Amino acid sequence: DIQMTQSPSSVSASVGDRVTITCRASQNISSWLAWYQQKPGTAPKLLINAASSLQSGVPSRFSGSGSGTDFTLSISSLQPEDFASYYCQQANSSPLTFGGGTRVETK
Amino acid sequence: QVQLQESGPGLVKPSETLSLTCGVSGYSISRGYSWAWIRQPPGKGLEWIGSVYQSGTTYDNPSHKSRVTISVDTSKNQFSLKLTSVTAADTAVYYCARHWKSGGCFDYWGQGMLVTVSS
Repeated sequence: DIQMTQSPSSVSASVGDRVTITCRASQNISSWLAWYQQKPGTAPKLLINAASSLQSGVPSRFSGSGSGTDFTLSISSLQPEDFASYYCQQANSSPLTFGGGTRVETK
Repeated sequence: QVQLQESGPGLVKPSETLSLTCGVSGYSISRGYSWAWIRQPPGKGLEWIGSVYQSGTTYDNPSHKSRVTISVDTSKNQFSLKLTSVTAADTAVYYCARHWKSGGCFDYWGQGMLVTVSS
């Protein structure tokens, strides 16, 4: 199985801050990576697929980059509605696997 | 707008079978895509359980050691999950989702359903 490691596990930030989350795959997954946002008590929401392709309706302050084994999700200017947990997911091979998550908290 | 809704018992006894159904509206399952089950134990991360094509072909996570059956009923526009021999470790919020195979990700999700395994 491909292991997905996210860092940090949590980050404290303020509105307006730039936040960067890292996801590392245990083997080469090319650009087969997705990012999700999850707020408490709700289902995950797809933000980005193919490592950098923003889903329709997702604000442009979100961006994704990387290929191979190292990927990042960036939020250019954190907004109040962005405080949530974020998960990466590899889609290169079965079983599909998720990272452990990163919680973005209020500083 | 594609919508998914999980249904089934919220409490299952240990060693019994967990059975959930996902009703899909706003999209006909028979048109394509895969359809997936994903779970999240309380306070923990996400785990893909498996997916089914509209044809009925399935692929699942081997970690469940053949306890999983996923099926599709295109006439009812729904798909189902059965997980046998459950233990407390199977307590989780279970989500159904549309699995966008070409993108490898899950683009529409149900709201999730907490299933507790307890006697």
